[in-house]
Amino acid sequence: GQNIDQPTEMTATEGAIVQINCTYQTSGFNGLFWYQQHAGEAPTFLSYNVLDGLEEKGRFSSFLSRSKGYSYLLLKELQMKDSASYLCAVRDGDYKLSFGAGTTVTVRA
Amino acid sequence: IAGITQAPTSQILAAGRRMTLRCTQDMRHNAMYWYRQDLGLGLRLIHYSNTAGTTGKGEVPDGYSVSRANTDDFPLTLASAVPSQTSVYFCASSDSSGTGGNEQFFGPGTRLTVL
Repeated sequence: GQNIDQPTEMTATEGAIVQINCTYQTSGFNGLFWYQQHAGEAPTFLSYNVLDGLEEKGRFSSFLSRSKGYSYLLLKELQMKDSASYLCAVRDGDYKLSFGAGTTVTVRA
Repeated sequence: IAGITQAPTSQILAAGRRMTLRCTQDMRHNAMYWYRQDLGLGLRLIHYSNTAGTTGKGEVPDGYSVSRANTDDFPLTLASAVPSQTSVYFCASSDSSGTGGNEQFFGPGTRLTVL
């Protein structure tokens, strides 16, 4: 089975930086994904890590440490439109995704 | 159509009724998935299909069935709906059974209420 933990809620100010942590314990590992989900909408893909280290994509970066079972998503230069839920998902040895419960980020002016 | 579509958008259903949620993708993806999303629990996998003609059980398969007659369609059936199946249902697809960096693409969801 999978155990994926991430904070329930985070609040930050427009223009600031927020880091969303994700810890996992899984049976087999074939990559970690981050998705963004706005209220009432479908999840959309943000990033993918399979090797240790940092992946940068514009204002968003994602980090992975496989030995620690740890990842974080870094959101820089926060904008109001970044208010959403952020889902951490681990792909197991059977190539199925298991999702954390999600972190709701609220960006305040 | 472009991407992945689901129907209906929302449905209110009496307990005990049979219901089929439809999902169609036009990206020629091999793999398709059904999830339910409940507050505080995140997305949970119900059933999946790695290729046309094959299906598998996910984390919460009881009370649901699927079929994969062709590449594009992956319907989810509730044989006899119960109130605990009230949820938002998302269909997703990915290329090559989701290997490598191939992410899953999600449909817009179906909001189902069972009374």
